[in-house]
Amino acid sequence: QQQVKQSPQSLIVQKGGISIINCAYENTAFDYFPWYQQFPGKGPALLIAIRPDVSEKKEGRFTISFNKSAKQFSLHIMDSQPGDSATYFCAASFETSGSRLTFGEGTQLTVNP
Amino acid sequence: NAGVTQTPKFQVLKTGQSMTLQCAQDMNHEYMSWYRQDPGMGLRLIHYSVGAGITDQGEVPNGYNVSRSTTEDFPLRLLSAAPSQTSVYFCASREPVRRIQFFGPGTRLTVL
Repeated sequence: QQQVKQSPQSLIVQKGGISIINCAYENTAFDYFPWYQQFPGKGPALLIAIRPDVSEKKEGRFTISFNKSAKQFSLHIMDSQPGDSATYFCAASFETSGSRLTFGEGTQLTVNP
Repeated sequence: NAGVTQTPKFQVLKTGQSMTLQCAQDMNHEYMSWYRQDPGMGLRLIHYSVGAGITDQGEVPNGYNVSRSTTEDFPLRLLSAAPSQTSVYFCASREPVRRIQFFGPGTRLTVL
């Protein structure tokens, strides 16, 4: 059972544009929502994370928007750059699970120059 | 710090063979885990450990064994490899306060 659904599967944007990736979750016990960035041949690396007590978190060009009532969260990449081309994964966990991460399916982002 | 290291980077097995994927971390993290990554399915948890001597099953544990004799090492054993185990395997360790998981570079395994 997939508890975190991610869309779109792939995304192509122009340099300077906004990239938006969406995730929806089912388990209301989740209390930690990270986004991971993965380049080809590398392991995933934490990009940004949010907890459900805030609706938005921004770090540089990357913003997480969180909607607790809708059980959805999204990643916005402002001024997208070719170097942002990678696969992005949303994930969720809750502390009493030992912080086991449940991942979305992944989004392959391509930023054209 | 080397972070999380994994060996080998690539491996080809024949059906029925066994092997061990190695994982080590030098950050003194208690929590470690193994994931497999398959196209269109994200990363799925195989096994995890909350400390030396303590392991538990994740989402897809069948066909895999783990042990944790030290804080640093968390090997994953394939007892009798099957083509369905063809995947990229990632080991991770977790920083406890901020709950950040650090992933290794992965092992790409092909089972013929």
